[in-house]
This record gives sequence, structure tokens and C-alpha cells, in this order.
Amino acid sequence: EAGVAQSPRYKIIEKRQSVAFWCNPISGHATLYWYQQILGQGPKLLIQFQNNGVVDDSQLPKDRFSAERLKGVDSTLKIQPAKLEDSAVYLCASSLGQGANGYTFGSGTRLTVV
Amino acid sequence: DQQVKQNSPSLSVQEGRISILNCDYTNSMFDYFLWYKKYPAEGPTFLISISSIKDKNEDGRFTVFLNKSAKHLSLHIVPSQPGDSAVYFCAASETSYDKVIFGPGTSLSVIP
Repeated sequence: EAGVAQSPRYKIIEKRQSVAFWCNPISGHATLYWYQQILGQGPKLLIQFQNNGVVDDSQLPKDRFSAERLKGVDSTLKIQPAKLEDSAVYLCASSLGQGANGYTFGSGTRLTVV
Repeated sequence: DQQVKQNSPSLSVQEGRISILNCDYTNSMFDYFLWYKKYPAEGPTFLISISSIKDKNEDGRFTVFLNKSAKHLSLHIVPSQPGDSAVYFCAASETSYDKVIFGPGTSLSVIP
């Protein structure tokens, strides 16, 4: 079974620029999550999709972050404009249902904002 | 406000000995607890979980203990192996289907 694919692996941008991350979940997984992991902290949920509908986006900074999951498969997370404090690893995870023990994480995208 | 705390950022253990990783939580509504393991440049992987109706769950070398009255859980690894060297995240949710809150992680080094 192929894992959760994320790209790019690394990205360096200047503040106020925009950036987009892509995630391809495991085939058949209905639920998709985007997490932000700042250095020294645990992953923090930004948004959860069930198929192509948003279940929870309460911690997504909606003034600069947006995410979509077209056709209930791939997802993109965008930041516009980026701030220095957005430097983090952005992790995508998917699961068949909503059970936390069934999460499969991708390797993440490491974003550095300079 | 950190709802899941792991007060030891790092831990070193000799190979073959027991590793004990601790976790405390503040939200009394948490009812389901998980441990994830993360190697560098990889995403976290699920290790073991426990629901509040149990006080112990065992899977091979890994055992999780839950003390609800103290809002404390621990992960025991016996015997520890060099391949166990990783960052371990404690996580919690109100049910097994709710949003998961992660702790900051403990970096475990198992010394050969």
C-alpha cells in the first residue's frame, strides 16, 4: 500500500510571499488532515476534511491560510502571505474513518520563511 | 494552554534497559490516549493506544499505563533497542473519533 505523498519536501520563501503544499492520501481514505508542527512542539491540527467537506478548521488562520480537497482525494494547503512564524513542518495525514489510531502521516513539508 | 504535557524533552537509556516516557494532561474530558513515534524526516507513526476504561495496554515490548485520577500516562519500552531511538509524542482526544491533541514530544536515545 502506497503511503501518504507530500510535496515539496522543503521550501524556503521570503516573508509576504505565497506558498502551496500538496498532499495525496492513501487510496480510499475518506478523512484527510493538515497539521502544523513548529520546532519543539507537537503537531497541531489546522484542518480536517471528510471526503471533500470540512469537518474542523477551528485552528486554521483563515486570514492567510486556505485549504481545499477537490473531488475528495488530493488536497492543497496555501499560505498567502507568509509570516516568519509560519516556519514549520506541515504534515498531511489520512485515515479510513475518523479514528486517531488509523492515522497515516506523510513525511511532511519543511517550510522556512526568511 | 498546553493540554498535553511531556515535561522531559529528552531521555537516554542503555540498550536492554527499560525506557519510561511520561505524559500529563489537563483536560478531564480526554478519554482516549495514544503514543506516536517519529523518526527524523518522517511523519509520526501510531504506536499504541489506550481508552479510559483500561489502566494498561500491552503490545509486545510496549506497554502504556493510564492513571486517570492523576491525569497521567506513561509508555514503557522493555527491553529498549537502538532502533527505538526516536521522538515519542503523547496524544489525547475526547473519544477515539475526536480531534487529537499532541504533546511536545520526548526524544529518546537508546545507547548501544
